[in-house]
Amino acid sequence: GAVVSQHPSWVICKSGTSVKIECRSLDFQATTMFWYRQFPKQSLMLMATSNEGSKATYEQGVEKDKFLINHASLTLSTLTVTSAHPEDSSFYICSASTLGGTGTEAFFGQGTRLTVV
Amino acid sequence: GQSLEQPSEVTAVEGAIVQINCTYQTSGFYGLSWYQQHDGGAPTFLSYNALDGLEETGRFSSFLSRSDSYGYLLLQELQMKDSASYFCAGKAAGNKLTFGGGTRVLVKP
Repeated sequence: GAVVSQHPSWVICKSGTSVKIECRSLDFQATTMFWYRQFPKQSLMLMATSNEGSKATYEQGVEKDKFLINHASLTLSTLTVTSAHPEDSSFYICSASTLGGTGTEAFFGQGTRLTVV
Repeated sequence: GQSLEQPSEVTAVEGAIVQINCTYQTSGFYGLSWYQQHDGGAPTFLSYNALDGLEETGRFSSFLSRSDSYGYLLLQELQMKDSASYFCAGKAAGNKLTFGGGTRVLVKP
């Protein structure tokens, strides 16, 4: 299957700082990438849909100024958590797909565990 | 939008069969996916049903009935390594997935 690489796998940062998470599709071009957040023992909640070359589409309740998404190329999307606070501590996961929606699976990155202290 | 319901937890013994049901309410539904997630890991794809019927992949099978807005994942010959969380996910346009709450499967010796 296709490979999606997410970096870093874990990060600890101080409250008030910003953290950037990268999501790369290694062997295919991802026209669309998705960013999810998962709190312990809960489901994956879609935060935003990232389309190459255009603005991300955020889900209701997700602050676009706090969670900055950039999809500058067909193989890279980044999520920046700005002015992080302890309540932003979570598992962030990206997934990637190709145009057309005919694929039967989304390819997930390894996830990034963010801890804000 | 979509909402998907599945049981929160299931416990079974090695070698047993477990069925995880998923009911959904949705608009713009393309199909139902199933993912496995071990603690601390990322979701891994198990199966996808776009059409009604049963899809079999080794020990795991998945079923979909669009008329009943219902699907299930069947885990056969349970092994200890199958202890994990299992998520159903409804697929919409643009490969957008909405996940159910997840079912934690605990396999006992």
